[in-house]
Amino acid sequence: DSGVTQTPKHLITATGQRVTLRCSPRSGDLSVYWYQQSLDQGLQFLIQYYNGEERAKGNILERFSAQQFPDLHSELNLSSLELGDSALYFCASSVVPHGTGAGGYTFGSGTRLTVV
Amino acid sequence: DAKTTQPPSMDCAEGRAANLPCNHSTISGNEYVYWYRQIHSQGPQYIIHGLKNNETNEMASLIITEDRKSSTLILPHATLRDTAVYYCIEGSKSTFGDGTTLTVKP
Repeated sequence: DSGVTQTPKHLITATGQRVTLRCSPRSGDLSVYWYQQSLDQGLQFLIQYYNGEERAKGNILERFSAQQFPDLHSELNLSSLELGDSALYFCASSVVPHGTGAGGYTFGSGTRLTVV
Repeated sequence: DAKTTQPPSMDCAEGRAANLPCNHSTISGNEYVYWYRQIHSQGPQYIIHGLKNNETNEMASLIITEDRKSSTLILPHATLRDTAVYYCIEGSKSTFGDGTTLTVKP
């Protein structure tokens, strides 16, 4: 158990639908990151939050949005789902924004989204 | 985000050392180099990070060149369970490249 909790572990939904993925960061971590990994593809950075504020944006589609709440958990909302959105979605957390030498990301075990 | 450069794949015999190279020629002077690995479909796992000096922990060793433009991750005695995709990333970057798929063979 890495300390980063992602729910649900698996999600099957139909095209056009909307889903919400949830992430609870490791205790004490203020920064949350979301990644998408399609089948046999690399990790695509989507978005980062730090202490409730958006910190950085990657290749996140307009149909996707995220937020980080006062208790530091984060939610990733995916709407108007398409078949191509089927992927593993990972959340990671860190104590401070990544790269400061304080240690790396801690990843959750991911949510596997299947759009049918 | 500038990307690091890693060979797409490497093989290693079980029990031998695995040396995984990474070029990070655009790294800034105060940025750390981080290494992670991802075992099939699991969440990536932090391995080690360093700035200038070589580093060692219970998982691996990290050798960073003096000019800091490249580094090598060393798994001293690779096991079958070390088969994974290994990523190196520059400190403040959130972007992972394609990594190196290490296959440890019996």
